[in-house]
Amino acid sequence: EFQLVESGGGLVQPGGSLRLSCAASGFTFSSYWMHWVRQAPGKGLVWVSRINSDGSITTYADPVKGRFTISRDNAKNTLYLQMNSLRVEDTAVYYCAVSQGGTPGNWGQGALVTVSS
Amino acid sequence: DIVMTQAPLSSPVTLGQPASISCRSSQSLVHSDGNTYLSWLHQRPGQPPRLLIYKISSRFSGVPDRFSGTGAGTDFTLKISRVEAEDVGVYYCMQATQLGTFGQGTKLEIK
Repeated sequence: EFQLVESGGGLVQPGGSLRLSCAASGFTFSSYWMHWVRQAPGKGLVWVSRINSDGSITTYADPVKGRFTISRDNAKNTLYLQMNSLRVEDTAVYYCAVSQGGTPGNWGQGALVTVSS
Repeated sequence: DIVMTQAPLSSPVTLGQPASISCRSSQSLVHSDGNTYLSWLHQRPGQPPRLLIYKISSRFSGVPDRFSGTGAGTDFTLKISRVEAEDVGVYYCMQATQLGTFGQGTKLEIK
């Protein structure tokens, strides 16, 4: 059974950095593409980034390009999202998800990131 | 960037009756590999989203057959044949053909 657990969220000041982790279990992590998706409080879903199974291909939404970096450690079954130069508008619950049929399929419970002074 | 537009944004429905949600993309979602990466997700309050349909019409694991997806190119529809109480929440379409974009969401509520 696909299990994903996000961690690393919290309160950070504008301009600061944070790294989210997503621990995967119950499936062969190294065989799947992975996504990050975020949701601001009371708002809709926003796709953030995607990485292929071996980490060689990464893509980003325009609002985070150049500030966020997605990566993975297949030996540790863990997905990461390094977030730099954080802005107030980056405040959201961040979900990791396993790509199924090209789309986010199985989702974690999410990690809340709050950017505020 | 591809824009996804859903309609309606709110849909009051009667239990046991059908429901339908439309999703339109600003450009064709046919990928160069021949697939159309259009999916539908459902989110209940306080919970992460759950994938229902991928590649227009393929039901994800464990999804009841009262959910179905149709469409092609730029116009897509999610249909629920008979709405049950557990179906309330927000439904999103999403394209993954070119990066990723979600629709605004459609809130399904019981009359």
